[in-house]
Amino acid sequence: GESVGLHLPTLSVQEGDNSIINCAYSNSASDYFIWYKQESGKGPQFIIDIRSNMDKRQGQRVTVLLNKTVKHLSLQIAATQPGDSAVYFCAETGLTDKLIFGTGTRLQVFP
Amino acid sequence: GAGVSQSPSNKVTEKGKDVELRCDPISGHTALYWYRQSLGQGLEFLIYFQGNSAPDKSGLPSDRFSAERTGGSVSTLTIQRTQQEDSAVYLCASSSTALSSVDTQYFGPGTRLTVL
Repeated sequence: GESVGLHLPTLSVQEGDNSIINCAYSNSASDYFIWYKQESGKGPQFIIDIRSNMDKRQGQRVTVLLNKTVKHLSLQIAATQPGDSAVYFCAETGLTDKLIFGTGTRLQVFP
Repeated sequence: GAGVSQSPSNKVTEKGKDVELRCDPISGHTALYWYRQSLGQGLEFLIYFQGNSAPDKSGLPSDRFSAERTGGSVSTLTIQRTQQEDSAVYLCASSSTALSSVDTQYFGPGTRLTVL
């Protein structure tokens, strides 16, 4: 079946350091991946996406890397700030338009 | 506002009662999704509407759950005879087209449902 999971449930980093959040997926047919950020009491907020024909995509302070060989997705946040503290979800499309979400990784940023 | 809105933001109900949750998608978005998020968990897909096509109901956990979308815009998720295990945050998202056309989903703030 389709599944998306995360390696680390909680990640603690110091302000200013870089953060890397990892995600594994199982469906090799998935062709679209999204990272969402969810702050307490709010809905998920789109961060960045990537298609399967790419292996890297950069945004403002964020980079998504896709390794199709090992079915691995990562989100890199440069110069992590306190405002980055949230739960981060990866999501994929399998064979349908439905997004399949992982369980999330909590990022904690310490001053 | 240009975002997805949901109402109510919080709903407390007694076991066995019916509830209706509302979602107003972003104007012009043809695709609308409902998800459920239990405490500390990821998002569980419930149902998907795309234009005038028949909805994808494959994620609905039981026949107590139903949803409709009137006029291709506002959607209502109805839970009949609520159970305590229905307690969760119900999230709505919309996108301008299906994901296959690379249009991402934008989420509302959710409705927190508590069944006593």
